[in-house]
Amino acid sequence: EADIYQTPRYLVIGTGKKITLECSQTMGHDKMYWYQQDPGMELHLIHYSYGVNSTEKGDLSSESTVSRIRTEHFPLTLESARPSHTSQYLCASTKARTGELFFGEGSRLTVL
Amino acid sequence: GQQVMQIPQYQHVQEGEDFTTYCNSSTTLSNIQWYKQRPGGHPVFLIQLVKSGEVKKQKRLTFQFGEAKKNSSLHITATQTTDVGTYFCAGRNTNAGKSTFGDGTTLTVKP
Repeated sequence: EADIYQTPRYLVIGTGKKITLECSQTMGHDKMYWYQQDPGMELHLIHYSYGVNSTEKGDLSSESTVSRIRTEHFPLTLESARPSHTSQYLCASTKARTGELFFGEGSRLTVL
Repeated sequence: GQQVMQIPQYQHVQEGEDFTTYCNSSTTLSNIQWYKQRPGGHPVFLIQLVKSGEVKKQKRLTFQFGEAKKNSSLHITATQTTDVGTYFCAGRNTNAGKSTFGDGTTLTVKP
């Protein structure tokens, strides 16, 4: 089983709150990704990083931001949460060469 | 941009029946990966195909990569209730460092 962890697993917050979803991996992977997925739906890439101090926006526009100060850590932040941000957020990482994605268990966010 | 489409979106089968999901890309791919996501779970890597026309098998699962490297399929023989979940393909083109996921095919198996 891959060593990639996400916290919190579940979060219910009110509109306007700032939240940070944590993602950490202990595999030394350079590439990390954040996907947004509504229940039963496809995965949308919202952010990715190829290494420390590298971050890029994904295919789906998102109001969230990310940072990559350390190889193992790739947190996602929403400055002011809204009900439209309610979704599951999946973090993933990959070895540079094979491209196989290892996913965390996800953070299910509900904004009231 | 690159688009990856999967059909069907849903498939309901009786246990023991076969199942196939198809993945089509708008561009030529350098590789394609398949993932399975159980209900309430996260995607788990199944396999990666790289070569044109490649066929790989994992027990009852057979994966194919098209000759033109623009389509792929996953076939499950004699489905079991443990096969329930959503199957996603993810295609990567040569110059991209990221993969594009298909819409997924959700399989339900009636015992």
